[in-house]
Amino acid sequence: AQSVTQPDIHITVSEGASLELRCNYSYGATPYLFWYVQSPGQGLQLLLKYFSGDTLVQGIKGFEAEFKRSQSSFNLRKPSVHWSDAAEYFCAVDPTTQGGSEKLVFGKGTKLTVNP
Amino acid sequence: NAGVTQTPKFRVLKTGQSMTLLCAQDMNHEYMYWYRQDPGMGLRLIHYSVGEGTTAKGEVPDGYNVSRLKKQNFLLGLESAAPSQTSVYFCASSYPDRGLFFGQGTRLTVV
Repeated sequence: AQSVTQPDIHITVSEGASLELRCNYSYGATPYLFWYVQSPGQGLQLLLKYFSGDTLVQGIKGFEAEFKRSQSSFNLRKPSVHWSDAAEYFCAVDPTTQGGSEKLVFGKGTKLTVNP
Repeated sequence: NAGVTQTPKFRVLKTGQSMTLLCAQDMNHEYMYWYRQDPGMGLRLIHYSVGEGTTAKGEVPDGYNVSRLKKQNFLLGLESAAPSQTSVYFCASSYPDRGLFFGQGTRLTVV
């Protein structure tokens, strides 16, 4: 079945440590890939997206993500986490690659806690 | 620069009551969406619209109706609220290939 999997429900890191959030998908062709962040009580905000080309994409707030076709993964990374990065992070996949988001599928999210 | 604005932010309904959630965007986006977010379920698409005057069903449309009479507005209606519709509702809009812009959400409780 087609799906988006975020294996880690909750991750805790210390401020200043590096971060990697995992996302795997199961679709036949390479889909469009997104990462969103949701701060408490807020809506989701787009961090970055991958459509094609360079497999390492840069986003806002110092985040980057790497698309690995062989692993069907799109992991999110940040070299040094700040306390303000505490939030929930959602990976999303558009299997249609047609630009509209009506077929966008979200993972169930990874909650990030940052310790001082 | 308001972006996507949802009204109201909080609401408590009794079972069987009706209500309308309003979403307004000022970015001239063609596409608009209504999602619900439930713990452990992620976001699920209720209905969406690809332009003024058009609507379509998403993943979980039952019990909801929508209308897009103006390009900038997308209304979500609950005709007869049920406790299973207790959720946080998010509206979003987009240009093709640009990703979604979300509102801040409406927390709805049905008692």
